[in-house]
Amino acid sequence: DAGVTQSPTHLIKTRGQHVTLRCSPISGHKSVSWYQQVLGQGPQFIFQYYEKEERGRGNFPDRFSARQFPNYSSELNVNALLLGDSALYLCASSLGRGSHEQYFGPGTRLTVT
Amino acid sequence: SQKIEQNSEALNIQEGKTATLTCNYTNYSPAYLQWYRQDPGRGPVFLLLIRENEKEKRKERLKVTFDTTLKQSLFHITASQPADSATYLCALETGGYNKLIFGAGTRLAVHP
Repeated sequence: DAGVTQSPTHLIKTRGQHVTLRCSPISGHKSVSWYQQVLGQGPQFIFQYYEKEERGRGNFPDRFSARQFPNYSSELNVNALLLGDSALYLCASSLGRGSHEQYFGPGTRLTVT
Repeated sequence: SQKIEQNSEALNIQEGKTATLTCNYTNYSPAYLQWYRQDPGRGPVFLLLIRENEKEKRKERLKVTFDTTLKQSLFHITASQPADSATYLCALETGGYNKLIFGAGTRLAVHP
C-alpha cells in the first residue's frame, strides 16, 4: 500500500512569493494534518482537517491556509513568504475519529531566499 | 508556560545495551502520549502510543512508561542495534482531533 505522498520534494522560493504544497493521504484515511519542522526542532502543528473541515489550527499567521478536497488530499498555501518560513513541511494522515497514530509523508523542503 | 523537554544532547550507547530516553512535560494534561522515530531528511514514523490510564506499553524491543503524576514518559529500546540510531520524538495529544505537540527529540547513536 502506498504511504502518504507529498509534492514537491524540494522547493526554492523568494521572499514575498506564494507557495502551494500538496499531500495525498493513505487510502481510507480521512484526516490530514500539516506540521512545520525547523532544523533541530520537533514538528510544530499548523492545521488539521477531517472530512474536508478544519478541525484544528496552530499558532501560525493568516499567511498560512489549507484545504482538503473530496478525495481527502490536501493543500497547504503560504503567502508573502518570509525567510523564517524555510523548513520541512510535513503532512500526516490518520483514519480519523478514534484513531490517534499518525502516518507522516516524507515532507517538502522549502527554502526561502 | 507549557513545555515538553527531551534530552537535547545525543545519547551514545554500545550495541546490545538498553537505551533509555526521557520526555518531561509541564502544564499539559495529555490524554495520549506517542513516540516517533525520525531519520535525517524523512518524516517521523509512529512507534508506540500510551494512554493516560496506562502505566506501561511494550512492542517487541520497545517499552514505554507513562507517569502522569511525575509528568514523565520513559522510552526504552532493549538489545539496541546500530540500525536503531535515529532521532526519537515524544508527542503529546491534547485537545482532541489528532493535534500533536512534539518535543525537540533526542538523537540516539548505537555504536557496534
